[in-house]
Amino acid sequence: EAQVTQNPRYLITVTGKKLTVTCSQNMNHEYMSWYRQDPGLGLRQIYYSMNVEVTDKGDVPEGYKVSRKEKRNFPLILESPSPNQTSLYFCASSSTGRGYTEAFFGQGTRLTVV
Amino acid sequence: ILNVEQSPQSLHVQEGDSTNFTCSFPSSNFYALHWYRWETAKSPEALFVMTLNGDEKKKGRISATLNTKEGYSYLYIKGSQPEDSATYLCAFSSNQAGTALIFGKGTTLSVSS
Repeated sequence: EAQVTQNPRYLITVTGKKLTVTCSQNMNHEYMSWYRQDPGLGLRQIYYSMNVEVTDKGDVPEGYKVSRKEKRNFPLILESPSPNQTSLYFCASSSTGRGYTEAFFGQGTRLTVV
Repeated sequence: ILNVEQSPQSLHVQEGDSTNFTCSFPSSNFYALHWYRWETAKSPEALFVMTLNGDEKKKGRISATLNTKEGYSYLYIKGSQPEDSATYLCAFSSNQAGTALIFGKGTTLSVSS
């Protein structure tokens, strides 16, 4: 089954404690991205990757890091989480980075930073 | 700053009613317009990706139209059912290199039986 898998689904952590949210896709997609969803706002892109070892900042990259060492995986790293990073996070992939291909989303990770 | 507006923000209809939502986007540098359906506790799923002015797409009781010259798209649901209750997101893609899908805030539909 074609899917994007994120883990964990829920996470409560404390300020400053490094964490990683994993994302894996099994569709051999080139393009992967991370979004955050906050009340009253649309999905906002954090980082994206056009292919292995190619990553770039989205609209709200501050406080986040990513890596793309393998095509299927695109982890999101919060080196020193802060309460303003409490949000719902989605990983997404698409076959290309061009806008005419649909995005496939993971199940979401609800992160709370206290 | 590219902006995508969706209206209404939410609406509540009775089972069997037909309804429609609007997505407004920049009319310049258009590349594609996406519609996604997002059910509570699930992930957004693509309904349509539209690229051509005048394009119309249909999937069952749901259809969408696109006007790239004036920068809007309509999503229609005919004969709404309770299972249609969800948030409907539209997303705009620009033809400028390096830009992401720009999402609207969504329209939340609630259908009562």
